[in-house]
Amino acid sequence: TQLLEQSPQFLSIQEGENLTVYCNSSSVFSSLQWYRQEPGEGPVLLVTVVTGGEVKKLKRLTFQFGDARKDSSLHITAAQPGDTGLYLCAGAAGGFKTIFGAGTRLFVKA
Amino acid sequence: NAGVTQTPKFRILKIGQSMTLQCAQDMNHNYMYWYRQDPGMGLKLIYYSVGAGITDKGEVPNGYNVSRSTTEDFPLRLELAAPSQTSVYFCASSPRWNEQFFGPGTRLTVL
Repeated sequence: TQLLEQSPQFLSIQEGENLTVYCNSSSVFSSLQWYRQEPGEGPVLLVTVVTGGEVKKLKRLTFQFGDARKDSSLHITAAQPGDTGLYLCAGAAGGFKTIFGAGTRLFVKA
Repeated sequence: NAGVTQTPKFRILKIGQSMTLQCAQDMNHNYMYWYRQDPGMGLKLIYYSVGAGITDKGEVPNGYNVSRSTTEDFPLRLELAAPSQTSVYFCASSPRWNEQFFGPGTRLTVL
């Protein structure tokens, strides 16, 4: 059974701090996606990483896919209160199925 | 575009009742999905569809049924509601199977 483990589960930081959250698996994924979910809403796709070692940047967010395509990280520079939310990673689980990690809940204090 | 819409937003059911959660998308996406999200957990795939007339089971299909008669609509049916089905249900669609657009969710409580 493929699993995606995310760490930390919960993170509370001050505005302006940097942070990194992780998504790890023992399985190889053809691609991984990162989503952000705000309370009471559905997840919103942030990025897809496909190639081992790939790095993608989205303003202050930097996403990296591990060389072996088993793990990924999300780094946020100078976090802002608007970054608060649940960050989910997701990957293909065979066929057209997608599995999700349990998420990292981020709270950025002003 | 409205994107992915879901109705109702909230619902309380009694044990044994039935209901249909509605999902529609106006983006002409072939792929559609139903997930449930329990507190502190990620999303679990219930059913998915790769096109009109084609559906398949996900990780947690027991107690649910789906149909896909059109590209736009993908309703989820609960036949005999149980407390274990208390959850937030999300519908999603995608133009490619791995990049999904989610609806706002339906919060269901079974008492």
